[in-house]
Amino acid sequence: QQPVQSPQAVILREGEDAVINCSSSKALYSVHWYRQKHGEAPVFLMILLKGGEQKGHDKISASFNEKKQQSSLYLTASQLSYSGTYFCGTDHGGGFKTIFGAGTRLFVKA
Amino acid sequence: EPEVTQTPSHQVTQMGQEVILRCVPISNHLYFYWYRQILGQKVEFLVSFYNNEISEKSEIFDDQFSVERPDGSNFTLKIRSTKLEDSAMYFCASSESRSWGRYFGPGTRLTVT
Repeated sequence: QQPVQSPQAVILREGEDAVINCSSSKALYSVHWYRQKHGEAPVFLMILLKGGEQKGHDKISASFNEKKQQSSLYLTASQLSYSGTYFCGTDHGGGFKTIFGAGTRLFVKA
Repeated sequence: EPEVTQTPSHQVTQMGQEVILRCVPISNHLYFYWYRQILGQKVEFLVSFYNNEISEKSEIFDDQFSVERPDGSNFTLKIRSTKLEDSAMYFCASSESRSWGRYFGPGTRLTVT
């Protein structure tokens, strides 16, 4: 049931864009995105709900393809502060249980 | 900005001992969660709690684990008889609704020796 994230790791230069993907083998109720910096707690970025509703931060965008059971997180004009591990979390119904993927490590260099 | 708090930040215990991890969720949130993260690995869901009862739990959350909201502010996770493999970072989280993100506390690092 664990969602699959790709790529496993990304190295960017400041200002470059990145896309992180998350896919599930089961129908999705919602997809969450979080960023975790080393030694810190995950920080909520965005949630995408079945039916198209999207809630979250203004500077980060994401898509949710319900048919394909996939979501993508778009990071544009990356900054050094974007570095960290990005997790997607999937919920397959009810909204109580979120299963996290293995994470995508993003490193932005100057 | 309101935040989730957790105590202690680090707990060392011997195998077989009971531990209680404490959390104070964001005050207007109604949904509460515990997650754990073994060093270098993904975040794992343990349990969700709503309306004073468990709403969902994972396979990890066996009879050794229990949760409680003893008053209007605290939310606790108890491990009755700790094992070496319980060593991990335990995160408490809360959310204002099911259709919203989880706000995580800073975590409690549990070390079982």
